[in-house]
Amino acid sequence: GESVGLHLPTLSVQEGDNSIINCAYSNSASDYFIWYKQESGKGPQFIIDIRSNMDKRQGQRVTVLLNKTVKHLSLQIAATQPGDSAVYFCAENRPVLNNAGNMLTFGGGTRLMVKP
Amino acid sequence: NAGVTQTPKFQVLKTGQSMTLQCAQDMNHNSMYWYRQDPGMGLRLIYYSASEGTTDKGEVPNGYNVSRLNKREFSLRLESAAPSQTSVYFCASTWEGLRLGGYTFGSGTRLTVV
Repeated sequence: GESVGLHLPTLSVQEGDNSIINCAYSNSASDYFIWYKQESGKGPQFIIDIRSNMDKRQGQRVTVLLNKTVKHLSLQIAATQPGDSAVYFCAENRPVLNNAGNMLTFGGGTRLMVKP
Repeated sequence: NAGVTQTPKFQVLKTGQSMTLQCAQDMNHNSMYWYRQDPGMGLRLIYYSASEGTTDKGEVPNGYNVSRLNKREFSLRLESAAPSQTSVYFCASTWEGLRLGGYTFGSGTRLTVV
């Protein structure tokens, strides 16, 4: 059974529509952001990333937008398909002052449900 | 296939029992991480190892210990399991300094403590 994301915000879209998933990050010093997709029973999978010196980055059917002024990140999925149904997490990379150098911190996630 | 391998995939423990979760990566990554994931929450960092020979506490280290056995392997140990440690555990790895592409995650270990 599903043990991840039982109480997550949920976005329900019709197949073929565009999806927009939003994320607010907390640290203005964060310099790198990543979107992950997690399907049921699997580990998170990299989708797309963006560095803080960019406002927009496009991949295949996905676009990430970064608004540093309000510390907001969004993931846009074009022509959403049933296979896009999953939980989506944003992650921010915070520079830390130890030997790790960097640390990813994850948001709470959004469940995307695609109706056929 | 190259990636992060976690064992076991499922485990049920009784309160007070101990166990070690194993993680190995074959991508020659320097940094390795252990996260836990609870319902309705994102991933929370337990411990990490920036490079072979070093380990550091993350956000929720209490009740856990880790060992970076070599560059490939990073294990997570529960000395005396508690019901609050029921969770899905993910191991991840990356190049030092978090190069492009972020972390590579394993498929997870689903742990239940009764």
